[in-house]
Amino acid sequence: DAGVIQSPRHEVTEMGQEVTLRCKPISGHDYLFWYRQTMMRGLELLIYFNNNVPIDDSGMPEDRFSAKMPNASFSTLKIQPSEPRDSAVYFCASSSNLWGGPSTDTQYFGPGTRLTVL
Amino acid sequence: DAKTTQPNSMESNEEEPVHLPCNHSTISGTDYIHWYRQLPSQGPEYVIHGLTSNVNNRMASLAIAEDRKSSTLILHRATLRDAAVYYCILISGGGADGLTFGKGTHLIIQP
Repeated sequence: DAGVIQSPRHEVTEMGQEVTLRCKPISGHDYLFWYRQTMMRGLELLIYFNNNVPIDDSGMPEDRFSAKMPNASFSTLKIQPSEPRDSAVYFCASSSNLWGGPSTDTQYFGPGTRLTVL
Repeated sequence: DAKTTQPNSMESNEEEPVHLPCNHSTISGTDYIHWYRQLPSQGPEYVIHGLTSNVNNRMASLAIAEDRKSSTLILHRATLRDAAVYYCILISGGGADGLTFGKGTHLIIQP
């Protein structure tokens, strides 16, 4: 398996523009997670899905952020409009449910998307 | 979420064992102890996890205190490729949850 795939790997945009980050989880995984990493705040969970359904979006910073998972093999994280404080590395991760869920299952992370908002 | 405490950084020499401590004094009975690491410019990767008993895998060993209020990740023979930030994370066994990352321990390996 190719692992978790994220695109683009780097994104530079101007304040006010819409940004869409994409993620393809590992085939067969039931859970998909979006994280954000900054120097100031470290790694933060934004939202996660189980079987394509959003379960917990309490980490989404504000209404400018939205995430969708239209099918088991694709998810998007959209920021509209983007602001300089959104600059960060955004990671997508997935895990299976073989052993009862994320308490025991490994999360596999993608390489991340480095977003810079000017 | 139960919190963990780790040293900010540790330094070790190549080919020597490394013991990375983690305190989790408020751990609950259903919390699993997970360790992840993040190599420079990469996403985090799973290292090991356990509940009560010590665990071994090809990457490392996990020693869990009898009262479960602390644990130690052991790298038996560190290499330069082990230089990374190591995160100790508690995950509730009661249901699905994302990972709550602390600041982790920055492990420096000297050649």
